[in-house]
Amino acid sequence: KAGVTQTPRYLIKTRGQQVTLSCSPISGHRSVSWYQQTPGQGLQFLFEYFSETQRNKGNFPGRFSGRQFSNSRSEMNVSTLELGDSALYLCASSSLPRQGLGDEKLFFGSGTQLSVL
Amino acid sequence: SQQGEEDPQALSIQEGENATMNCSYKTSINNLQWYRQNSGRGLVHLILIRSNEREKHSGRLRVTLDTSKKSSSLLITASRAADTASYFCATDAWGDYKLSFGAGTTVTVRA
Repeated sequence: KAGVTQTPRYLIKTRGQQVTLSCSPISGHRSVSWYQQTPGQGLQFLFEYFSETQRNKGNFPGRFSGRQFSNSRSEMNVSTLELGDSALYLCASSSLPRQGLGDEKLFFGSGTQLSVL
Repeated sequence: SQQGEEDPQALSIQEGENATMNCSYKTSINNLQWYRQNSGRGLVHLILIRSNEREKHSGRLRVTLDTSKKSSSLLITASRAADTASYFCATDAWGDYKLSFGAGTTVTVRA
């Protein structure tokens, strides 16, 4: 089975631009989560989607948005980029529709390294 | 904000030695997981321990959980150079649909 695929791997943008990151989960996984990782703040939860529905959202400004398609692929968008948005953006997928069913581990992609200049 | 903290922040050991790292968290949890991250890459799941379990083993890994102290430890025995990585604990709570990660422990295994 192919793992979680994130594209692009690296991205350089300038302040004020917008960016769209893509994530293809493991085949059969319907839950997709996004995390932002920076040296200062560590791993911060952005949002989680299951069957095209956002079930949880982290404490990020409205410039950060996401969506999930019917094939479970997901995108996240950041508008009006700021220098502080420079980070590694990680996508993860899971096979479980809800908690408590067993092994709720996440499978992570390699991430998109976003640099905002 | 992060759920908890990890201790130590960094650890340097000789190949063959054991590595122990600790994680503390703040709120009630459903389970606690440990992940490994190699430099700038995605995280890889190592082990999961449920809130009603106290200890779990997987290969060279041993995890303990003390819910009364809201803390967990990860022991890697007989370390190898390939164990050089950052290790993160992550917790989830019922209905949250997210993991809250600690700050991580960076482990360096010297040959």
